[in-house]
Amino acid sequence: KAGVTQTPRYLIKTRGQQVTLSCSPISGHRSVSWYQQTPGQGLQFLFEYFSETQRNKGNFPGRFSGRQFSNSRSEMNVSTLELGDSALYLCASSLYTGGETEAFFGQGTRLTVV
Amino acid sequence: EDKVVQSPLSLVVHEGDTVTLNCSYEVTNFRSLLWYKQEKKAPTFLFMLTSSGIEKKSGRLSSILDKKELFSILNITATQTGDSAVYLCAVEGKYGNKLVFGAGTILRVKS
Repeated sequence: KAGVTQTPRYLIKTRGQQVTLSCSPISGHRSVSWYQQTPGQGLQFLFEYFSETQRNKGNFPGRFSGRQFSNSRSEMNVSTLELGDSALYLCASSLYTGGETEAFFGQGTRLTVV
Repeated sequence: EDKVVQSPLSLVVHEGDTVTLNCSYEVTNFRSLLWYKQEKKAPTFLFMLTSSGIEKKSGRLSSILDKKELFSILNITATQTGDSAVYLCAVEGKYGNKLVFGAGTILRVKS
């Protein structure tokens, strides 16, 4: 059974650009959550999608957005990139929403903003 | 605001030692507590705990939750160099799949 797949693995962008990251969850899983990991702030929740609807949102500016498709794949977009957006972006896949469900992480996308 | 505090922040032990990692939390409408191991990129799922006093075990790793005192411990016995990693504790509160993570414990096992 394939795990969570994130693409691309690495990205280098310049300030002001936008970026789109992709996440394919484990087959059968319908919830996809996104996290940002930085040395200073640790792992922070961005948002969760379930059945193509955003269910939860963290405390990030509106430049961070996402969506989920009917096959449960999810994309995350960051517009007007800032240097502080450099981070490891992780996506987690869960069977369903509502908690008490194991969340499995992908390998992440390392975004560097220069 | 939901909060998770892990201790110690880092730990160096020798192979064969037993270690105990701590996780205390404050969360509204607790649902579950999860432990992960992170070596390079992807945090790897270890345990999910929802009930007090029930130990979960997987090989040399075990974990238990105390919902009255709001903490969990992760034990690793007979440590090996392959156990070297960052161990992350996370809780789920009233917002379901939104995990709140602690800063992690960096474990280094020396041969």
